[in-house]
Amino acid sequence: EDQVTQSPEALRLQEGESSSLNCSYTVSGLRGLFWYRQDPGKGPEFLFTLYSAGEEKEKERLKATLTKKESFLHITAPKPEDSATYLCAVTSDYKLSFGAGTTVTVRA
Amino acid sequence: GAVVSQHPSWVICKSGTSVKIECRSLDFQATTMFWYRQFPKQSLMLMATSNEGSKATYEQGVEKDKFLINHASLTLSTLTVTSAHPEDSSFYICSARSAGGRETQYFGPGTRLLVL
Repeated sequence: EDQVTQSPEALRLQEGESSSLNCSYTVSGLRGLFWYRQDPGKGPEFLFTLYSAGEEKEKERLKATLTKKESFLHITAPKPEDSATYLCAVTSDYKLSFGAGTTVTVRA
Repeated sequence: GAVVSQHPSWVICKSGTSVKIECRSLDFQATTMFWYRQFPKQSLMLMATSNEGSKATYEQGVEKDKFLINHASLTLSTLTVTSAHPEDSSFYICSARSAGGRETQYFGPGTRLLVL
């Protein structure tokens, strides 16, 4: 069974204070690792898909990286609008297995 | 691109009534759609997977007779909560996977159901 563990559970940052979120996973045959952003009362918003170790993707202040055991989501110089819950998920077939998420709060 | 819509966004109903939620992929064809349920401060729980033109596959513990899923076209799936009760109150979210894409699922904005 695919398993995903995200840490920390919550992260409070000052505006401009860069940090990283961790997603550790165990999966039998990774077919994709996904990062989503979820705002309160809304559905998850797609950020990145990573397929193989060593792959990196960037979007504005976010950068996702992947190794054989974990993925990191780096937030560079965050702004208050980056406040959200960030979800990591993996798939080995067609279903997604989600982590519990990291709730990021960025203070101005 | 890859926009998924849900309707309605909010629904309040009386116990014993049925509620239908629509999920549409607006700018792509989705061979597979998924229905999730999310409780407060928890992650998403997969309820069922539906493929266009075939019966849905339900996760263990999900009552197929209570949560009816129809995937009639490549852009539309519906979830009907039959004889809803207060314990069915939750946040329901659908997702769609592109027919031409790989494994990425794109999520709708969710539907908040409150059963009185």
